[in-house]
Amino acid sequence: DAGITQSPRHKVTETGTPVTLRCHQTENHRYMYWYRQDPGHGLRLIHYSYGVKDTDKGEVSDGYSVSRSKTEDFLLTLESATSSQTSVYFCAISESGQRNTEAFFGQGTRLTVV
Amino acid sequence: AQSVTQLGSHVSVSEGALVLLRCNYSSSVPPYLFWYVQYPNQGLQLLLKYTSAATLVKGINGFEAEFKKSETSFHLTKPSAHMSDAAEYFCAADFGNEKLTFGTGTRLTIIP
Repeated sequence: DAGITQSPRHKVTETGTPVTLRCHQTENHRYMYWYRQDPGHGLRLIHYSYGVKDTDKGEVSDGYSVSRSKTEDFLLTLESATSSQTSVYFCAISESGQRNTEAFFGQGTRLTVV
Repeated sequence: AQSVTQLGSHVSVSEGALVLLRCNYSSSVPPYLFWYVQYPNQGLQLLLKYTSAATLVKGINGFEAEFKKSETSFHLTKPSAHMSDAAEYFCAADFGNEKLTFGTGTRLTIIP
């Protein structure tokens, strides 16, 4: 299995509080991604990174920010959590952005905003 | 707009029967295509991928998929379903923009 660790695995937080999810990899892959998974929507890309301090928005980036200060860590922050951000969040990594490159996924973080 | 569509959010088949999960894409240029499987409370695992080398792609656990450009499809099949195949399956496409676009998923149930 690819070395990807997401933390925490489960979190319950209150509306309006900031939340940070962490993705840590030991594969030295260049690309890292944050997705959210919701019933009926599949996985939707929030943000991704193509290198240290290089990030870009995905299709559902509103209300989220990311940071990547080291190759191995990619942080997702909800500045002020809302109930609509209750979801399962997955981190993924890939060696390159080339079209035939497989993405490897973490185990997911289940976030509940009450 | 570039997109991936999976027909049928839930599919049920009897053990030993053929599994057919449908995936279509919308794009002027054929993308690279992937099938992922997700078991309960786990992340996604790659089943197989199409990278233009061959239209019939074989993956793990006896699954295969055929790319048909004329139909813009990449359907996933397995000749004989096993109880362990029960999971959610996602079709995804790389349209050349450094990220994967996923379909909405198909939950496969196996009937004993």
